Amino acid sequence: ETGVTQSPTHLIKTRGQQVTLRCSSQSGHNTVSWYQQALGQGPQFIFQYYREEENGRGNFPPRFSGLQFPNYSSELNVNALELDDSALYLCASTGTVRHEQYFGPGTRLTVT
Amino acid sequence: QKEVEQNSGPLSVPEGAIASLNCTYSDRGSQSFFWYRQYSGKSPELIMSIYSNGDKEDGRFTAQLNKASQYVSLLIRDSQPSDSATYLCAAGGTGTASKLTFGTGTRLQVTL
Repeated sequence: ETGVTQSPTHLIKTRGQQVTLRCSSQSGHNTVSWYQQALGQGPQFIFQYYREEENGRGNFPPRFSGLQFPNYSSELNVNALELDDSALYLCASTGTVRHEQYFGPGTRLTVT
Repeated sequence: QKEVEQNSGPLSVPEGAIASLNCTYSDRGSQSFFWYRQYSGKSPELIMSIYSNGDKEDGRFTAQLNKASQYVSLLIRDSQPSDSATYLCAAGGTGTASKLTFGTGTRLQVTL
């Protein structure tokens, strides 16, 4: 167990709806990254938060947004859901030793 | 475009044999490299990290890095059926907590 938790585990939404995914990082880890993993693909970087500020963003449209809270937990919000948003969404917190990233169990999002 | 490339497999090895997984990366600025194991339906689990040229051993796992050739490998000795999974190679840059760029993964099957 990495100590990184995510909720919910599974989610089914309809195209056009909005979704919020949540992540609690491992104790003491102040950096959280979000990744999208489509079936059969490697995780793709969405964005990263460091001490409540966005610290880098991948090639995702603005309808993907996020927040980090003072306790370093984080949210990923996706607006105007599209069918292609169906994927496993992974949150990773960064360790204090050599910046290794540890993943939570993920949220499986299905858009119909 | 920053890329990490892996052979998708499947790579099939008999129980007790050595499994050799390979990865190449295109961004010469990459400074950190990671191997993750991902079981079907689960999130990636960090198994090795390597930052300097040469070999790094941890139990049955050995990671090898050659920055001149932009090549990373993972050797699994005495392969076990429980090692059957997809192995993801990831490259990171420098900085406090850089994003990771993942390959698509190599599926390993360890046969009895």
